[in-house]
Amino acid sequence: ETGVTQSPTHLIKTRGQQVTLRCSSQSGHNTVSWYQQALGQGPQFIFQYYREEENGRGNFPPRFSGLQFPNYSSELNVNALELDDSALYLCASSPGLAESSYEQYFGPGTRLTVT
Amino acid sequence: DAKTTQPPSMDCAEGRAANLPCNHSTISGNEYVYWYRQIHSQGPQYIIHGLKNNETNEMASLIITEDRKSSTLILPHATLRDTAVYYCIVRGGSGNTGKLIFGQGTTLQVKP
Repeated sequence: ETGVTQSPTHLIKTRGQQVTLRCSSQSGHNTVSWYQQALGQGPQFIFQYYREEENGRGNFPPRFSGLQFPNYSSELNVNALELDDSALYLCASSPGLAESSYEQYFGPGTRLTVT
Repeated sequence: DAKTTQPPSMDCAEGRAANLPCNHSTISGNEYVYWYRQIHSQGPQYIIHGLKNNETNEMASLIITEDRKSSTLILPHATLRDTAVYYCIVRGGSGNTGKLIFGQGTTLQVKP
C-alpha cells in the first residue's frame, strides 16, 4: 500500500466527452505527477504539479489539464476524448520537488475506455 | 534525461537470485538510477534507487558500476510474486521536473 488512492477504478466514456479523474496523495506530499499507460507500453509522463502549480509537462495536448488542491488531492481532466485516450491513468505523489532524490509513490490507476 | 537499455525478458527459478541488468551509458553526474516494478494492471511500485554507491533495502540490492554506466538490480530470493515488469530509470539533474521516463522494461518470469 502506497497511501495513494485514485477514483474511479474503471470508466467508460464516449468519444468527444469530457472526463475527470481523481487522485488522493499521501499526506504531506506536495508533488503529484500524472502518467498515461497504453496497453503494452510503459507509463508516459503527462504533467506534474507542485504546490498547486504546474511544474512540467510532457508531450500531451492542452485538452489534458490538471488541478492540485491544498488537501493533497488532485484531478486530471481530459476534454474532447479520443479513442487513443483509452489507457490506464496513474498518479504518483512524492514528498518533494523535482531533481531531489525523492521516490514517487503510485496509485492503482484508473482504467479509461473511450468508445 | 539519460536513456536506459534493458533486456526485454528474463526467467528465474523460484528461490534463486534474480539479477536484472540495465545500461545507462549517457548518465550524468547528478542523475540517480531508479528501479520500479509493475505487476499486471497495478500501479508501478518503487523498489530502490542510488546515485553511485551500492544500495540495499528489504526488497532488493542495487549494484552500480564504478563508471556508473550500468547497474544491476538483485532480488536475492525470487518468489512467484516477483513476476512483473521491471523498469530501470535514470532521473534527476538540474532543471528536471523529476518526471520518470519509462522504457519497455524487463519482464521477469519467476518459475516454480
